[in-house]
Amino acid sequence: GAVVSQHPSWVICKSGTSVKIECRSLDFQATTMFWYRQFPKQSLMLMATSNEGSKATYEQGVEKDKFLINHASLTLSTLTVTSAHPEDSSFYICSAVDRGRSQPQHFGDGTRLSIL
Amino acid sequence: AQRVTQPEKLLSVFKGAPVELKCNYSYSGSPELFWYVQYSRQRLQLLLRHISRESIKGFTADLNKGETSFHLKKPFAQEEDSAMYYCALSGLNTDKLIFGTGTRLQVFP
Repeated sequence: GAVVSQHPSWVICKSGTSVKIECRSLDFQATTMFWYRQFPKQSLMLMATSNEGSKATYEQGVEKDKFLINHASLTLSTLTVTSAHPEDSSFYICSAVDRGRSQPQHFGDGTRLSIL
Repeated sequence: AQRVTQPEKLLSVFKGAPVELKCNYSYSGSPELFWYVQYSRQRLQLLLRHISRESIKGFTADLNKGETSFHLKKPFAQEEDSAMYYCALSGLNTDKLIFGTGTRLQVFP
């Protein structure tokens, strides 16, 4: 089946640093990927839609300069949290759309980001 | 406004009991409805979608446009059904999903 790999699975870093999270579709090409944020015991909140070869589309209220998204190839999208602060600590999940299959989105395992 | 509402945060039942996880939605148009499941320490995965009209792991869900509901049902719950369940919707011409807040199902032996 379609697999989405997310890396790293857990990262701890100091306040002020930038953190990059990778989302890869392992056995299919994904022209569209999504980035979500999930707070403890809450639902997934869509942050942005990542389109291969073009700029990401951000949801209302999401700072595009804070959360940089790059979708340079059909199998890789990256989310960079710039100048991270403790309030950016969260669980970040990516998903990828495989148009050749019936399932709408395939999800990664998520990345737990902790900013000290 | 586009919204998915799951009124129950937690649903606890005993093994063999019927289960119904409620989902109501608000959408201007004809959405597609889904149920996703997340087992402990696993990724989110699709359980079923309304256009398929199929039963997965004994679960079914019927889209009721009059009541704008898409409740998930299973006649006899099993312990392995314990998980987090999310109802979601998307528009016809978009891949974007709008998720509900989720319901944790606990099935006791």
